Amino acid sequence: GENVEQHPSTLSVQEGDSAVIKCTYSDSASNYFPWYKQELGKRPQLIIDIRSNVGEKKDQRIAVTLNKTAKHFSLHITETQPEDSAVYFCAASKAGTALIFGKGTTLSVSS
Amino acid sequence: SAVISQKPSRDICQRGTSLTIQCQVDSQVTMMFWYRQQPGQSLTLIATANQGSEATYESGFVIDKFPISRPNLTFSTLTVSNMSPEDSSIYLCSVDLQGGGNTIYFGEGSWLTVV
Repeated sequence: GENVEQHPSTLSVQEGDSAVIKCTYSDSASNYFPWYKQELGKRPQLIIDIRSNVGEKKDQRIAVTLNKTAKHFSLHITETQPEDSAVYFCAASKAGTALIFGKGTTLSVSS
Repeated sequence: SAVISQKPSRDICQRGTSLTIQCQVDSQVTMMFWYRQQPGQSLTLIATANQGSEATYESGFVIDKFPISRPNLTFSTLTVSNMSPEDSSIYLCSVDLQGGGNTIYFGEGSWLTVV
């Protein structure tokens, strides 16, 4: 089955810096790669996703890149703000199956 | 996006008892998934629940411990049976709003503490 590895487990940046979180997946048939943000005491919220027919997707300060050959995808957050502090999860799946999640990255943005 | 309601939102349970979590969606969805998130951990898939068929459980999860019902396209329940402190977790219902397109949204979660 699918296995998703996520790095780093913790990430500390200064406000205004960029943050990058990387994930690798094992199942070459996976074609959907979302990212979730989870704030303390809340449910995971979908922040951006990418499908296998696209190499990059951007939404304001957030972007995701996908390299299908290498089976890895990354989340890029630019101009980080304190409210970006949270746990971020990557996930992967193929059509009609459940998401398999990485172990999460705790992002801390200090002002 | 759809509204996904879970009940209870939070509960403290006695060891050895069972609790049923309800998940209600305001639109019809084919695929529903139940996840567990233990304290400080990631999300682990318990089972996939499709209407009209038996739930499919992941390795490490069994029907006797986590029975699931899926009576229609908008509702599902997960029961946590014979609870122990190790079952203290957030239990999350999630749905695929695109019927196989994998855009997954989560309910607010049920935060269970077993004492």
